[in-house]
Amino acid sequence: EVQLVESGGGLVQPGRSLRLSCAASGFTFDDYAMHWVRQAPGKGLEWVSGISWNSGSIGYADSVKGRFTISRDNAKNSLYLQMNSLRAEDTALYYCAKEPAFVTGSYRYCYFDYWGQGTLVTVSS
Amino acid sequence: DIQMTQSPSSLSASVGDRVTITCRASQSISSYLNWYQQKPGKAPKLLIYAASSLQSGVPSRFSGSGSGTDFTLTISSLQPEDFATYYCQQSYSTRRAFGPGTKVDIK
Repeated sequence: EVQLVESGGGLVQPGRSLRLSCAASGFTFDDYAMHWVRQAPGKGLEWVSGISWNSGSIGYADSVKGRFTISRDNAKNSLYLQMNSLRAEDTALYYCAKEPAFVTGSYRYCYFDYWGQGTLVTVSS
Repeated sequence: DIQMTQSPSSLSASVGDRVTITCRASQSISSYLNWYQQKPGKAPKLLIYAASSLQSGVPSRFSGSGSGTDFTLTISSLQPEDFATYYCQQSYSTRRAFGPGTKVDIK
């Protein structure tokens, strides 16, 4: 059974840092790209960051670029999000998600098939 | 960056109704479009990938269509468990943007 378990959330003051973790099990972790998605209270989904299976390709939303760093440790089946210079607008439930690809011909369609339960980050003084 | 929009932002419908939700991309994304369902307090659930492929285990009353910039999610006969918020997402670019969501509630 695929499981994604996020941890590391909590209450933090503006300007401080926090490191989120996502522990993966039930699948071959290093076969898949992984992503972080967040959801502010009462709001929609916002893609935050993604990383390829070998960390060779990484992307960030403009809202977090330069402040957040995504990484993974395939030996530990873990995904991380280092969040620095936190702002009130970073307050959200942070999900990690697994991304397989459906390949047909020369097309490679990616999607998020499993999500964790989320870890809540609250940035407030 | 590719921007995603959805319409309507919310709708009220009855059990048994046919429901259609529209998603539009700011540029052509071919068929790189996914649909998710989210219920309150729960993580999103994948319904449709590659614009029209039904995820395993998802009821066949859900279907997706479209390519390029315009896409639709259709629920052929709304069931009580389908009242939720629906999001589209593009996977054409590295930045996997979501649409703002469409909330489906009970009329």
